[in-house]
Formats: sequence, C-alpha cells, structure tokens
Amino acid sequence: DAKTTQPPSMDCAEGRAANLPCNHSTISGNEYVYWYRQIHSQGPQYIIHGLKNNETNEMASLIITEDRKSSTLILPHATLRDTAVYYCIATLDDKIIFGKGTRLHILP
Amino acid sequence: EAGVAQSPRYKIIEKRQSVAFWCNPISGHATLYWYQQILGQGPKLLIQFQNNGVVDDSQLPKDRFSAERLKGVDSTLKIQPAKLEDSAVYLCASTPGIWVSTDTQYFGPGTRLTVL
Repeated sequence: DAKTTQPPSMDCAEGRAANLPCNHSTISGNEYVYWYRQIHSQGPQYIIHGLKNNETNEMASLIITEDRKSSTLILPHATLRDTAVYYCIATLDDKIIFGKGTRLHILP
Repeated sequence: EAGVAQSPRYKIIEKRQSVAFWCNPISGHATLYWYQQILGQGPKLLIQFQNNGVVDDSQLPKDRFSAERLKGVDSTLKIQPAKLEDSAVYLCASTPGIWVSTDTQYFGPGTRLTVL
C-alpha cells in the first residue's frame, strides 16, 4: 500500500467547509483512496473512497488530483459532531493500513 | 441492520493474567478483522479471517495472542499471558465479500483493555 501523509491536526469553524488534505505521491494506478474517521471512543467509520474520479456522497466529497498524488476530503458544512480523527488510506485490496490521521477540531 | 457487536466493552486485568474478547460481525459478512489500537495511534491489523480460515496473521504476536472464528461467524481473540504493553483498544471489523478492493469495513465499538 502507498504511504499517505496527513497534517496531524486542523481547525474548522462550525458551518464552514472542512478541507482535509492527503498526500499519496507513491500511489499505484490501481490503488483506491479511502477515507475513514474515528469519533472519540468509537470504532472507525467509512466515509468515502475513489480511484480516479471525484466522488460525492451524503457525508462528504472526495477530490483526487489528476496525477492522483494527492486528494482532499471535503465536509461541506462542518458541525460539532464532525470532530474526529480522519484517516486517509491508499490500498490495493481489502487491507487497510491506518496512519495517525488528522485530528479535526470543529470550533463553535 | 445490526452492526458489529463486541464484548466486553472494558476490561481491567493484572499482567500475566489471561483475557478473551468476543466479536459478532454483521450477518453474512465473510471477512472478519481484529485490530489493536494503542492510544494516539491508528488501528493496527492483527489478524484477518475469510469465513473460518486465517488469511493474514503476520502481525499477531503468536506467543501470547490467539484467535479463532468457529463456523465462520463469531470470533474470539485471546491474550495469554497479558503484558503491560497490551493495554489498548481491540477493534473488530467485518466486510461482506472476499478480496473485494472496494468493500468498506464496518467496525465495532471496541474493547478497551487495561493491563496493570
């Protein structure tokens, strides 16, 4: 699996869009980019994944650069409940290797 | 749809004691994973089952950890004897398919183990 790099922490004002970056410069052509998040005292929760195209679901949008070396997870209207650690993973198969993620603080 | 169930939620033991954790995956899910999450770190995969067979246990400390998945449904993870460094949250996850790269993993709430 390709190594991913994320900032250790970020702040976002409540109601604003939260943009979480991820660098995966060594990603191979058939590795997917996954995002999970982990709210305090809970197990990780799947958010979204993509291969080449941008993706959107009811939780978030995933923007993948054309060269696929980086991506951005966008939470369009952050709420206090979005406070969590967000993990970006690049994987070829069903195995997930978690890094330390980005701790997102939503500020009231 | 019921989620992944784990028990107990919390466990405190003395070092050198034994402990067991139980996981019931989502009904029909073929693949089951156990992770260890030490405070401040991301989860680390310990073992992966497909149905009742072990696919990957390369990160499992086999001198003290064991796991089984009887009948391809429930699973137990055991530590015997426990060490201080085993203090962590133990997470169970499941996915519907086998070797499906786009399968998402569904996680249980975890068992928080404290070894004194």
